[in-house]
Amino acid sequence: AQSVTQLGSHVSVSEGALVLLRCNYSSSVPPYLFWYVQYPNQGLQLLLKYTTGATLVKGINGFEAEFKKSETSFHLTKPSAHMSDAAEYFCAVSDLGAAGNKLTFGGGTRVLVKP
Amino acid sequence: ETGVTQSPTHLIKTRGQQVTLRCSSQSGHNTVSWYQQALGQGPQFIFQYYREEENGRGNFPPRFSGLQFPNYSSELNVNALELDDSALYLCASSPGTARTGEQYFGPGTRLTVT
Repeated sequence: AQSVTQLGSHVSVSEGALVLLRCNYSSSVPPYLFWYVQYPNQGLQLLLKYTTGATLVKGINGFEAEFKKSETSFHLTKPSAHMSDAAEYFCAVSDLGAAGNKLTFGGGTRVLVKP
Repeated sequence: ETGVTQSPTHLIKTRGQQVTLRCSSQSGHNTVSWYQQALGQGPQFIFQYYREEENGRGNFPPRFSGLQFPNYSSELNVNALELDDSALYLCASSPGTARTGEQYFGPGTRLTVT
């Protein structure tokens, strides 16, 4: 079974500082990995995805993530935090098995941006 | 292009009642998945529908059931509601041809069971 672990349920950063959100996964097959963002009282918005090929993927709003197979990690970064980045972030792995195509999510990391 | 829509936005029910939540998939998407997101947790997969057939189910009891219609919209039905069913219910759609698994989410329905 696949699983996702996000280290740190809460992260506080200053505006303009680096944002680093950690994600480690467990998968028996080559994984497809995703980061989603959830703003208060809203659904999930896809930030970026890794499928195959280049291990550094760029997403929306200046975010990027690097797939490291040897470390089973897919950490999310943004060089300079903006107040609008305050939200909850979820890492997910896709299971494209015969029994449907489901996403398995981590527990989420809530980001607070201080002025 | 219209995104995923869900109704109602909020719902309050009493323990033991039944509830139906609705979802319209994004244009061109024939696969719909449902997730339950309890407060402070990540979404949990309930089940998926592809071309009107259930195509995978998570660890949820049979009182959670669903339907998909010819226009690919979907319903989630929950019978005999329990207090622990209080959560945000998210619907997500994807094109059947997507081989990478990304899904596009609606805004969710907040269900409160009292």
